[in-house]
Amino acid sequence: NAGVTQTPKFQVLKTGQSMTLQCAQDMNHNSMYWYRQDPGMGLRLIYYSASEGTTDKGEVPNGYNVSRLNKREFSLRLESAAPSQTSVYFCASSAPGGLREKLFFGSGTQLSVL
Amino acid sequence: DQQVKQNSPSLSVQEGRISILNCDYTNSMFDYFLWYKKYPAEGPTFLISISSIKDKNEDGRFTVFLNKSAKHLSLHIVPSQPGDSAVYFCAASRYTGFQKLVFGTGTRLLVSP
Repeated sequence: NAGVTQTPKFQVLKTGQSMTLQCAQDMNHNSMYWYRQDPGMGLRLIYYSASEGTTDKGEVPNGYNVSRLNKREFSLRLESAAPSQTSVYFCASSAPGGLREKLFFGSGTQLSVL
Repeated sequence: DQQVKQNSPSLSVQEGRISILNCDYTNSMFDYFLWYKKYPAEGPTFLISISSIKDKNEDGRFTVFLNKSAKHLSLHIVPSQPGDSAVYFCAASRYTGFQKLVFGTGTRLLVSP
């Protein structure tokens, strides 16, 4: 059982390049999230999607866009990458309702912006 | 503004002893708390949670204690095992119709044989 799958696992970009991080879950979860993890900062919420067709900003949305393509897939786009976006990115999903449900995380994408 | 703080970046414990990981929060509106465990090159995985209506929750070797007046929670692992070596994140949320977790900075636990 795959759970939450993220691609790619590693990516190196030059400043100004764009890319899309892909995320898919096979648990029929309604809610999906994108977090970034930086040293000394913990995990910070970038965007989330409470249900198919909705997206909302989290704590650190600047420089990112998201698309909830369908119930399974939630992508994160960097339109013009900056070195400050060097981080490990995690996608997560939670069970229907998002009500006190635990999050299931993917294995992460390590992104370096030079 | 770090609403959830884990002031110890690392902790070393011998196998068989107790590990105590601490977490402090500042937002008194938080009413649900979780611990996640993360191994290198993997995503965090849920470990244990506690609602603010309780002061203790136990699951096998793992116990979480909540002190609301001090805005403090702790995770006890007894006995500690080498496989428990990982980064532990504390997280908190308040219900506003949807759950958004706020994570602490993590504590790296090393359990030596």
